[in-house]
Amino acid sequence: DADVTQTPRNRITKTGKRIMLECSQTKGHDRMYWYRQDPGLGLQLIYYSFDVKDINKGEISDGYSVSRQAQAKFSLSLESAIPNQTALYFCATSDPTLNTGELFFGEGSRLTVL
Amino acid sequence: GESVGLHLPTLSVQEGDNSIINCAYSNSASDYFIWYKQESGKGPQFIIDIRSNMDKRQGQRVTVLLNKTVKHLSLQIAATQPGDSAVYFCAERYSGYALNFGKGTSLLVTP
Repeated sequence: DADVTQTPRNRITKTGKRIMLECSQTKGHDRMYWYRQDPGLGLQLIYYSFDVKDINKGEISDGYSVSRQAQAKFSLSLESAIPNQTALYFCATSDPTLNTGELFFGEGSRLTVL
Repeated sequence: GESVGLHLPTLSVQEGDNSIINCAYSNSASDYFIWYKQESGKGPQFIIDIRSNMDKRQGQRVTVLLNKTVKHLSLQIAATQPGDSAVYFCAERYSGYALNFGKGTSLLVTP
C-alpha cells in the first residue's frame, strides 16, 4: 500500500461544482502539503499544514480551502470549480526531524473542470 | 518572487552514456537544493539533496553539484539506463519548509 494515498485519482466535473480531494498518509508525518502541477510547469504550493491546528496558505491558495481532519488526513476543496483549476494535484508529507528537503508525494489526483 | 529555472526542457541520451541536467536558482537564502524524478502517471520521487554549505554530494549513480558563485545546480546520472527516462525537477528549500520547484527537464534514454 502507498504511504500517501490520494482519492479520487481522476475526476471530471463542471464549472461551479464543489470538489473535494482527499489525502491520507501512513508515514506518521506531521507536515502535509497540497501542490498543483500544470502541464510543462513545476509544482506550485497551494496550502500546507504543520500539524492538526496549523494551516497556512501557499503561493496559489485563492479558490481553494483545506481541512486537516487528523494527523493522517488532509483534504483540499474547491468550493466552486472553474476551468483554470484543471490540473494535477499532489499531496505530500515531510518529516522536519530529518532536516532535508525531502517530500513524500502521493500519486496525484487529476482534475478536469469543464 | 525568486525562481528556480532549468536550462533545457528536454534531453536525449544514449543508454550507457552519462547525463547532466542543469538548473539555475536565484534565492540566495535557500538552505537545501533537491532533485526529484517524476515518471509518467506518478508523483515526484526524491533523488538526492545537497545543503547550501556543500558543493558536491554523491549517491548511487547520481551526483549533485552546487555552484553558489553562479547559482547553478546540476544532476549527473552515470551510465544512464532506460529506467532513468522521466522528468527531473530541481527545487530549492526556503523558509525551512517551502519548496520552489523548477519547470522540469524531460530525460529520454534511447537504446
